[in-house]
Amino acid sequence: ETGVTQTPRHLVMGMTNKKSLKCEQHLGHNAMYWYKQSAKKPLELMFVYNFKEQTENNSVPSRFSPECPNSSHLFLHLHTLQPEDSALYLCASSLISAANTGELFFGEGSRLTVL
Amino acid sequence: GQNIDQPTEMTATEGAIVQINCTYQTSGFNGLFWYQQHAGEAPTFLSYNVLDGLEEKGRFSSFLSRSKGYSYLLLKELQMKDSASYLCAVRDWGYIPTFGRGTSLIVHP
Repeated sequence: ETGVTQTPRHLVMGMTNKKSLKCEQHLGHNAMYWYKQSAKKPLELMFVYNFKEQTENNSVPSRFSPECPNSSHLFLHLHTLQPEDSALYLCASSLISAANTGELFFGEGSRLTVL
Repeated sequence: GQNIDQPTEMTATEGAIVQINCTYQTSGFNGLFWYQQHAGEAPTFLSYNVLDGLEEKGRFSSFLSRSKGYSYLLLKELQMKDSASYLCAVRDWGYIPTFGRGTSLIVHP
């Protein structure tokens, strides 16, 4: 138990569906992240929120839409995805401060399959 | 940009010692992390280096040489449960790390 919870753990969707991934952290952290993990590739940073403000958007297609309503919750809204979007989507959080190493705490991930 | 390189796969014997190397090229440097990820599970934090030298934590140690852009993770007294992927991640400026592809370690009896 890392203190970061992701739901659902598994999701199968068609290319015309709309679904959302949810992440919740109970660690009092001030930054939250979405990463994409595909086989044989490095973790790819998608979005970062710092104090609820989006600070990074790494050229992610608009079919992925993040939402951060407060510092404890993060969503990834999915619509009209492509089969190549099938991957493990990892949420993470960290505490950004001068007195902290700022390591990431990851959730278990949401395994997404797009048919 | 950043370039982080680590071996794709390594194998070792239970009870032995293994060293997993990571080399990086970044425009700046603000810390290097090692994470462990078992199949189907979340990556978990192992170590952090920001100054040159060796950081020891039980059976695991991590070394950093900033001038060489080089780090290694040393695992001693290997156990079967150490079979996992080991991820090297580097921060250049700011607080966001960039990850390497990970090294899949297989420990056999």
